[in-house]
Amino acid sequence: AQSVTQLGSHVSVSEGALVLLRCNYSSSVPPYLFWYVQYPNQGLQLLLKYTSAATLVKGINGFEAEFKKSETSFHLTKPSAHMSDAAEYFCAVSGRDSSYKLIFGSGTRLLVRP
Amino acid sequence: GEEVAQTPKHLVRGEGQKAKLYCAPIKGHSYVFWYQQVLKNEFKFLISFQNENVFDETGMPKERFSAKCLPNSPCSLEIQATKLEDSAVYFCASSPLQTGRSNQPQHFGDGTRLSIL
Repeated sequence: AQSVTQLGSHVSVSEGALVLLRCNYSSSVPPYLFWYVQYPNQGLQLLLKYTSAATLVKGINGFEAEFKKSETSFHLTKPSAHMSDAAEYFCAVSGRDSSYKLIFGSGTRLLVRP
Repeated sequence: GEEVAQTPKHLVRGEGQKAKLYCAPIKGHSYVFWYQQVLKNEFKFLISFQNENVFDETGMPKERFSAKCLPNSPCSLEIQATKLEDSAVYFCASSPLQTGRSNQPQHFGDGTRLSIL
C-alpha cells in the first residue's frame, strides 16, 4: 500500500529564508509524486509533479523538489520565502496501478515571518 | 470551462437531512474524483468516475453516500440522512488521464463546506 508522510505539521521561516518542507513516501513501485498548495478557503493548486523524467523538478512560484529514491523522499524547497508563500502544503502520491486516486500526506502549514 | 466549478460553496443541513453537492469538471477532462477533507486536514478519497462510469468507489461509505456523473450535467455527490461526522469540505477534481498513465495531475475545485448541525 502507498503512503505519504510529511514531517512537521508547522514550519516557520523568516521572509527571505530557505523553505524546506519534507515528504517521504512508501510505494512498492516507482510512484508519481505531487506537491499541492492550499490557500485559506480555496482548493488545491498544483505546484509541481514528479513523473520519472527528471529527479529535480521545478514548479511554479520558485518552488522545486528533488526525488531521491534511496531516501524515498520528495522534499519541497524554495531559496527565498515570500510572505505570499504562507499556506498549507500537501504532498501526494499516485500509483502506477489503475486506480489513479491521490493519497495525501497530512499537510504542512508554512508560516512566513516578516 | 477552464476551472473545476463546485456548488454550493457552503451548505448547512440539520442532522438527518439530505445534502447534495455539485461539480462541473474542466471541459475535456474524462476523470472526476471526489475527496473529503476533515478538520485535521486529512484528505480521504471517496469515488472516481471515467466519464459517466464509476471507476473506483473503494472510498465510498457503503451507506448514505451516492454519486453520479451524467452526460451534459454536473457531477453530484449526495448524502442521505446526514450525520454530524459528515461535516467536512468536499473537493472535486478532474483530470485528462489516459488509461495506463496516472502521471497527469488532478485539478481541484474550491470545495463545498458542509456543516451538519
